Amino acid sequence: GAGVSQSPRYKVAKRGQDVALRCDPISGHVSLFWYQQALGQGPEFLTYFQNEAQLDKSGLPSDRFFAERPEGSVSTLKIQRTQQEDSAVYLCASSWMKGQGLAYEQYFGPGTRLTVT
Amino acid sequence: AQKVTQAQTEISVVEKEDVTLDCVYETRDTTYYLFWYKQPPSGELVFLIRRNSFDEQNEISGRYSWNFQKSTSSFNFTITASQVVDSAVYFCALSEGGGSNYKLTFGKGTLLTVNP
Repeated sequence: GAGVSQSPRYKVAKRGQDVALRCDPISGHVSLFWYQQALGQGPEFLTYFQNEAQLDKSGLPSDRFFAERPEGSVSTLKIQRTQQEDSAVYLCASSWMKGQGLAYEQYFGPGTRLTVT
Repeated sequence: AQKVTQAQTEISVVEKEDVTLDCVYETRDTTYYLFWYKQPPSGELVFLIRRNSFDEQNEISGRYSWNFQKSTSSFNFTITASQVVDSAVYFCALSEGGGSNYKLTFGKGTLLTVNP
């Protein structure tokens, strides 16, 4: 079946521009995560959705970052007034979440590489 | 707070050698999950294995094996008879299981290069 897809794959933005990154999770996956991966580092958590509810946004680095998943499927990560330090790969992941105390593996998309010039 | 340490930044081996990637984790939870992911040059993270904190049995899958030891908070990954296609960055990750958010905390990764 289809995996997690993300678009665009590459985005170049001038400092100060707004960008929107899209994630299409695996069909039926309840949980959706966004991560930020800087060059040479491991991914770092940004935010988490369970269906359309954003349950954790503790990893968002500033109020310029905003994410939504209005119908519980596709999600958009928006970055306003981009800065050079926002340059990174933005990864989306989805998974089943079934019951309490049971963590399923997350399946990752190919990422969007954002370069802010 | 949870933390994952992968002390080996880079490892280089010759094809057919065995190689072990180390992972040490920290968590206050008694229920947690450990994962290994592979990130080949194409960039997409590929899930390899998940273990929960109550299951310390080691696991073998083909040339891959994992050694989970709670006493040392380690979850090491061994590739037997390495191949060039194993060249990638490997990440160990931890998820605490107490709530409904299973966010992953990743280590910094180990770059494995397998030379022909």
